[in-house]
Amino acid sequence: QQQVKQSPQSLIVQKGGIPIINCAYENTAFDYFPWYQQFPGKGPALLIAIRPDVSEKKEGRFTISFNKSAKQFSLHIMDSQPGDSATYFCAASLTGFQKLVFGTGTRLLVSP
Amino acid sequence: EAQVTQNPRYLITVTGKKLTVTCSQNMNHEYMSWYRQDPGLGLRQIYYSMNVEVTDKGDVPEGYKVSRKEKRNFPLILESPSPNQTSLYFCASSLYNTDTQYFGPGTRLTVL
Repeated sequence: QQQVKQSPQSLIVQKGGIPIINCAYENTAFDYFPWYQQFPGKGPALLIAIRPDVSEKKEGRFTISFNKSAKQFSLHIMDSQPGDSATYFCAASLTGFQKLVFGTGTRLLVSP
Repeated sequence: EAQVTQNPRYLITVTGKKLTVTCSQNMNHEYMSWYRQDPGLGLRQIYYSMNVEVTDKGDVPEGYKVSRKEKRNFPLILESPSPNQTSLYFCASSLYNTDTQYFGPGTRLTVL
């Protein structure tokens, strides 16, 4: 019940394309859903996060779509750039729970 | 500069030789955590700490120890390392458990 399933494992898009990364969770009590971005040789860094009271959140070119009934959320990157090439992790937690549960990661490559 | 530091960044050791990976944060964060990152498995939590002298197991605690004697430091101890502990380790901190987690740069450990 604590798992977060992430897909795809890897993704290649051309510059300007819109990569979409999907995550599904089981625990309906989760109430915080962040996405982390990790560049090679670096630690993950928070990219964007959403709580289930909204269905979409946008920050710059990054958008989270959240479907509470389907227990799914996804990350969309508009007008993707080679500099967006990184590994992306979704995660989930709930207030008062002592840990963040991470997905297995998606390696994104944006070709020039 | 607000940051999480880890030392060493790279370590090659042999089976059974005790080692400690240090982690320090300068943000006065209450919550600290250790993760290991393995290909295809994402980030898995080893141990976490809610505050000084308060620690608890994460998902994969076997073979690891931690301590939190000061708020800023959270060392990870491998008393008798084994080859299956070869991994990339990250320390993270946040003000509270579900806030943005700030990750250190990682420690790549190889156990021969």
